[in-house]
Amino acid sequence: GENVEQHPSTLSVQEGDSAVIKCTYSDSASNYFPWYKQELGKRPQLIIDIRSNVGEKKDQRIAVTLNKTAKHFSLHITETQPEDSAVYFCAAILRGADGLTFGKGTHLIIQP
Amino acid sequence: GAVVSQHPSWVICKSGTSVKIECRSLDFQATTMFWYRQFPKQSLMLMATSNEGSKATYEQGVEKDKFLINHASLTLSTLTVTSAHPEDSSFYICSARGGSSPLHFGNGTRLTVT
Repeated sequence: GENVEQHPSTLSVQEGDSAVIKCTYSDSASNYFPWYKQELGKRPQLIIDIRSNVGEKKDQRIAVTLNKTAKHFSLHITETQPEDSAVYFCAAILRGADGLTFGKGTHLIIQP
Repeated sequence: GAVVSQHPSWVICKSGTSVKIECRSLDFQATTMFWYRQFPKQSLMLMATSNEGSKATYEQGVEKDKFLINHASLTLSTLTVTSAHPEDSSFYICSARGGSSPLHFGNGTRLTVT
């Protein structure tokens, strides 16, 4: 069936370094790709999103890139800080669905 | 910014009882609301989609007679977990969308069935 694959499941980086999380999707018709940050016990917070008519979007230390041909999109966090530690989820709207289908999540750990 | 309010934030109930969770869009009209369930250390799984004034659409494997969804107005959707069992214990999160705007999530409800 249609799905969203996310890698890695856990990512540990040194404070100040960059972190990259990648997702692939199966539905070539998908056109909206958000990224959410979820802290323990809290709701997901939208941190950045991209639509299929652009290849890259940046917001300060966070950027998202989209490769529609390869059907993958990535989250890039530069100059990581301790408060970036959380679980990050990618998502997409897949064929036949109206709601978002989420990846399995990446636990990002920022080492001091 | 858009605000989605979810109530209660946590609830403990006995096995066999029913629990109602409310999801309200406070400053926009939510034409579509979604209900997700999240088990510990897992991702969010879409349970159902509800459109105001019509029946909810349930995802495969979600029992519509057990998880009753009502979307009676453009600002309120409710999820009722009927005859709750311990395996229903989870984090339930609603989200709402008005038109083509991004999805906004409620704060979630931690349900514990004893």
